[in-house]
Amino acid sequence: QSALTQPPSASGSPGQSVTISCTGASSDVGGYDYVSWYQQHPGKAPKLMIYEVSKRPSGVPDRFSGSKSGNTASLTVSGLQAEDEADYYCNSYAGSINSWVFGGGTKLTVL
Amino acid sequence: QLQLQESGPGLVKPSETLSLTCSVSGGSINRSDYFWGWIRQPPGKGLQWIGSIYYNGTTYYNPSLNSRVTISVDTSKNQFSLKLSSVTAADTAVFYCARDSEVLAAFDSWGQGTLVTVSS
Repeated sequence: QSALTQPPSASGSPGQSVTISCTGASSDVGGYDYVSWYQQHPGKAPKLMIYEVSKRPSGVPDRFSGSKSGNTASLTVSGLQAEDEADYYCNSYAGSINSWVFGGGTKLTVL
Repeated sequence: QLQLQESGPGLVKPSETLSLTCSVSGGSINRSDYFWGWIRQPPGKGLQWIGSIYYNGTTYYNPSLNSRVTISVDTSKNQFSLKLSSVTAADTAVFYCARDSEVLAAFDSWGQGTLVTVSS
């Protein structure tokens, strides 16, 4: 069970859009539409931002959107705001006895 | 509003067993649409799913930790617990408990996390 691959860092200026990728395999990201994204501010617990590839929980701004193509999922943050600066983690169902695998995380910096 | 709270020793000696409990309030653990999971995060590193348990005691573990992990549930106390045996310094991490939603296929509610350090 290998971790999903994310870029270690991403950045953008306020108001801009930034996309974070999450690459897995056909056994996880590519095989299921069960990709979720989490936002984590320093010293805080992760917060669910996107589930089932592209769905937003109640209360999450529509500036956050998700998509998937093949074995790669993506999180796009549009209209960047200072409070979006955080670590972002992707997560995918990986089959085989209901296991879950996370990405290594991406630190998003708002310039 | 659902709240999860981890509790347990913050320091464990190498080779011993790490034990944590997650207390759930604001909702019942005895529901068929949720699993209850443990996730850890070593200092400065990423998240790792440890395992999840269903209210009836059915468990699923990370294959890489399977031989050392036991997760149990006590529905009468609305709690679930983690035991990780034969710990080493590499097991030092913030441990989170979380609700694993079957409906959303995601971890939709998290505890604040508790740091467990493995050191003699």
